[in-house]
Amino acid sequence: EVQLVQSGAEVKKPGESLKISCKGSGYSFTSYWIGWVRQMPGKGLEWMGIIYPGDSDTRYSPSFQGQVTISADKSISTAYLQWSSLKASDTAMYYCVREYSSSWYYWGQGTLVTVSS
Amino acid sequence: QSALTQPASVSGSPGQSITISCTGTSSDVGSYNLVSWYQQHPGKAPKLMIYEGSKRPSGVSNRFSGSKSGNTASLTISGLQAEDEADYYCCSYAGSSTNWVFGGGTKLTVL
Repeated sequence: EVQLVQSGAEVKKPGESLKISCKGSGYSFTSYWIGWVRQMPGKGLEWMGIIYPGDSDTRYSPSFQGQVTISADKSISTAYLQWSSLKASDTAMYYCVREYSSSWYYWGQGTLVTVSS
Repeated sequence: QSALTQPASVSGSPGQSITISCTGTSSDVGSYNLVSWYQQHPGKAPKLMIYEGSKRPSGVSNRFSGSKSGNTASLTISGLQAEDEADYYCCSYAGSSTNWVFGGGTKLTVL
């Protein structure tokens, strides 16, 4: 069974750094794109970017380029989303997703990130 | 890049059919047959309902169907049921520079 298990909720202050994770299991981690999707409180879904763990090919939405870093460690089947300096506007639920036939079939449970002073 | 355009809300009575539109451009919906649709209930992760425009994943009811005409994709739900009340999002591939883009979402109310 394919599973994406994300790290737990985080509460951070503006300016702090953060790295959240998404561990894949039940499939060949290096063979499928993994992406990240943001959902701000009460708002819609926003596609952030994807990574192919097999060769670390990474693509970002223009809206998120330079704002976040997506990475993966294939030795532990885990993808990451990180910020170097959080802002209050980064407060959101973040989902990791796995590609299936050019769509996002598998979703993690979400990681709630709260940034507040 | 702009999000795909969806109506903010649609409604229907049990047993009826509704259609949710998703309007893009010739750079996304119009160029690729790679539109997918997602259902999201409150407090839950989204669920894939349609992929590659009209295909249903295993386990998704055949009451859900997808289509496309030009730059507009559509999701039709027939035989509305109370459990269909949720938010629905479309998503399309938009080329190598933008990659993927979501619609703004549509809230479906079953009256």
